[in-house]
Amino acid sequence: EADIYQTPRYLVIGTGKKITLECSQTMGHDKMYWYQQDPGMELHLIHYSYGVNSTEKGDLSSESTVSRIRTEHFPLTLESARPSHTSQYLCASSEGGQSYGYTFGSGTRLTVV
Amino acid sequence: ILNVEQSPQSLHVQEGDSTNFTCSFPSSNFYALHWYRWETAKSPEALFVMTLNGDEKKKGRISATLNTKEGYSYLYIKGSQPEDSATYLCAFRGSNYKLTFGKGTLLTVNP
Repeated sequence: EADIYQTPRYLVIGTGKKITLECSQTMGHDKMYWYQQDPGMELHLIHYSYGVNSTEKGDLSSESTVSRIRTEHFPLTLESARPSHTSQYLCASSEGGQSYGYTFGSGTRLTVV
Repeated sequence: ILNVEQSPQSLHVQEGDSTNFTCSFPSSNFYALHWYRWETAKSPEALFVMTLNGDEKKKGRISATLNTKEGYSYLYIKGSQPEDSATYLCAFRGSNYKLTFGKGTLLTVNP
C-alpha cells in the first residue's frame, strides 16, 4: 500500500506549457525529496525539504521549483516545459533518524513534445 | 560530487543460482548505506539501511554486508527466484539527510 502518492503517473505535454507534478504523503514525514532519473542514469536529487516552508535545491540543477506549505504536500512545478525536461520524476519522504529508509512514490514519467 | 559505483551494471542468472553485487562509496563522512529494490512499474522499496562498520543484515534470502573503512557493501541473493528480478540500488548518506544513488544493478532471473 502506497503511503506516498504521485500524480499523474504519465504525462505527455506540449512545449511551453506549465505543469505541476503532485506528491502527497500520509506518514507525517518532515523530510521530502524530488529525484530525477534519465534512462540508464542514476537518480539525481533536484529538490528537498526538511519541513514546512523549507525548500532547498539538490545536487542536480533543475529549472523546476517546489513548495512546502503543508507537511503532507510537496508539489513540483515547471513554468514552461521543454523537451529537455522529459524524464522520470520520483518523490520520496523519510523520517529523520539515521536508520530510516526512504519511502518512494511510483513516479511521474514526463514527456514534453 | 559524491561517487557511488555499483557493479555489475546487469546480471542474468538462472533460477536457483546465488548471486552478489557490489556498491562502493566514499569512506569519509559516512552516516548510512541504503539498499533498495526497484521492480519495473513499481516504486523503489527499501531493503536495508546499514550504519555500522561490519553490519550484516538479512531479509529472507537477501543479505548485505558493510565495510565503511574501505567503502564498500555487498548484497547477496541466495537461490535466486524469477520474482527477484529487479534493479538493485545502493545509496550513500553523508552528514545530511540526502541520499546519493548509484546507477543500480539490473538482475534478471531466468526460470
